[in-house]
Amino acid sequence: EVQLVESGGGLVKPGGSLRLSCAAAGFTFNSYTMNWVRQAPGRGLEWVASISGSSSYIYYKDSLKGRFTISRDNAKNSLYLQMNGLRAEDTAVYYCASGTYRFDNWGQGTQVTVSS
Amino acid sequence: AIQLTQSPSSLSASVGDRVTITCRASQGISSDLAWYQQKRGKAPKLLMYDVSTLESGVPSRFSGSGSGTDFTLTINFLQPEDFATYYCQQFNSNPRTFGPGTKVEIE
Repeated sequence: EVQLVESGGGLVKPGGSLRLSCAAAGFTFNSYTMNWVRQAPGRGLEWVASISGSSSYIYYKDSLKGRFTISRDNAKNSLYLQMNGLRAEDTAVYYCASGTYRFDNWGQGTQVTVSS
Repeated sequence: AIQLTQSPSSLSASVGDRVTITCRASQGISSDLAWYQQKRGKAPKLLMYDVSTLESGVPSRFSGSGSGTDFTLTINFLQPEDFATYYCQQFNSNPRTFGPGTKVEIE
């Protein structure tokens, strides 16, 4: 059974940093593009970033470039999102999802709240 | 970036109804479109991809059609468990944009 479990969310002050993790199990992790998607309270889904299986291809939402960094450790079956310079508008549930041409498995999400 | 719009933004329907949701892309995306269902407080769930290929386990009352810029998700014989928000997403280019969602509510 495929499992994606996010962690690392929490309450952080504006300007602060957080590192989200996503632990994967039940599939050949290094063969899959992995993605981060977020959802602000009461809002729709927003794609954040994607990373290919070998980390050769990395893409970000334009407005997040320079503040967010996606990475992965295939030896640990883990995906990461380093978030710096956090702003109130980054408050959201952050999901990891697997897939290149469809996001076929999703984690349960981790809440990130940016507030003073 | 390719923009996706969905219509309607919300609708009310009854159990047994047929429901149609439209997704329109700002430029042609071939058949690179997926649909997701999200229930309140839960992660999204993939319903179908490549416009009309049902994900394993998804009931056949869900169907998809379209190509290029105009796409449709149809739910036949709406069931109580189908009341949720539905999102389209394009995979033709990065960023992998989502539509704004269509909320299907009980009438």
